[in-house]
Amino acid sequence: QQQVKQSPQSLIVQKGGISIINCAYENTAFDYFPWYQQFPGKGPALLIAIRPDVSEKKEGRFTISFNKSAKQFSLHIMDSQPGDSATYFCAASIVDSNYQLIWGAGTKLIIKP
Amino acid sequence: DAGITQSPRYKITETGRQVTLMCHQTWSHSYMFWYRQDLGHGLRLIYYSAAADITDKGEVPDGYVVSRSKTENFPLTLESATRSQTSVYFCASADWRPHISYEQYFGPGTRLTVT
Repeated sequence: QQQVKQSPQSLIVQKGGISIINCAYENTAFDYFPWYQQFPGKGPALLIAIRPDVSEKKEGRFTISFNKSAKQFSLHIMDSQPGDSATYFCAASIVDSNYQLIWGAGTKLIIKP
Repeated sequence: DAGITQSPRYKITETGRQVTLMCHQTWSHSYMFWYRQDLGHGLRLIYYSAAADITDKGEVPDGYVVSRSKTENFPLTLESATRSQTSVYFCASADWRPHISYEQYFGPGTRLTVT
């Protein structure tokens, strides 16, 4: 019940296209859902995060869509650019009870020029 | 302002040897974490710490030891390295405050190879 399942494992998108990465969870107590971006040779860095009181959050070309009833959330990257090529991790947490993040397995995204 | 640093960045050691990976942060964040990253497994939590002298096990603690005598340092020791501990190790810190801040800040990682 603590797992976060992320798909796909890898994704190739043409420049200018929309990249979509999905995550699903079982624990309905999760109330914080961040996405982290990791470039080769670097540590992950927070990209965008959402709380379950909203269904969507947008920051520039990056959008999180959250479906509480389906227990799913997804990352959409609009107008994907070669510089977006990275590994993306979703995660989940129960923020008011602990600070541990439960991580998805990651998606390697390649944007083709 | 270095933020969070890890040393060494690369390490090759032999099975059975003791290895210590260092982590130092300059923000005075209360929380610190050690993760290992392996292909197909994402990030797995080894140990975490809520403050100096307070540590607790994560998902995969076996074979590892941590200490935190000072807020800014959180070393990870492999007491007797095994090949299964070959991995990339990330340290992270967080100024975790409910309703205010939840972000974890990661170091650059240490690539450890056990031969």
